[in-house]
Amino acid sequence: GENVEQHPSTLSVQEGDSAVIKCTYSDSASNYFPWYKQELGKRPQLIIDIRSNVGEKKDQRIAVTLNKTAKHFSLHITETQPEDSAVYFCALVDDYKLSFGAGTTVTVRA
Amino acid sequence: EAGVAQSPRYKIIEKRQSVAFWCNPISGHATLYWYQQILGQGPKLLIQFQNNGVVDDSQLPKDRFSAERLKGVDSTLKIQPAKLEDSAVYLCASSLGGYSNQPQHFGDGTRLSIL
Repeated sequence: GENVEQHPSTLSVQEGDSAVIKCTYSDSASNYFPWYKQELGKRPQLIIDIRSNVGEKKDQRIAVTLNKTAKHFSLHITETQPEDSAVYFCALVDDYKLSFGAGTTVTVRA
Repeated sequence: EAGVAQSPRYKIIEKRQSVAFWCNPISGHATLYWYQQILGQGPKLLIQFQNNGVVDDSQLPKDRFSAERLKGVDSTLKIQPAKLEDSAVYLCASSLGGYSNQPQHFGDGTRLSIL
């Protein structure tokens, strides 16, 4: 299966600052890249996704960028708020199934 | 729209016992997935169904795990006998179509503890 590497594993930011999480992969055939947010003890929730024919997608304070040449994609959260504190997982389709990164624990300090 | 329903939410058993989990996907979703999420890791796909047929079960430990989706709607995942390393959250997800590049929606999961 695909190895999707996610960095950093933990991220602490001051409320109002931006947070950036990056994922790298090796299979150039991957064409779908979703991001999930998981709060403690709760289900993973899809927050944004991007397909390989698009370089950037934005939804309010959340944006995702994709660089297919360099094989990496990133999640950007602007104007962070305490409710953004959670574990964020990147994922991609590899061999017709979804593979997840190891996750980034984001803590927003008030 | 009702989400993916799973039960039970929690289960504690001793090793070598058996356990079963149930999942009801979002209405109209043809594809159903079972994932295992070990603490501190991302979800790992165990099995994928398209309607009532298995699409991928390459990562399912078939000597102890089994799953079925008899009528193309609800699904059950069984572990028999359980091992200590099976302690994890078991997540069910569903998506509308038969392609993995469609959004998957997760249930709350079943947290399994093996003593």
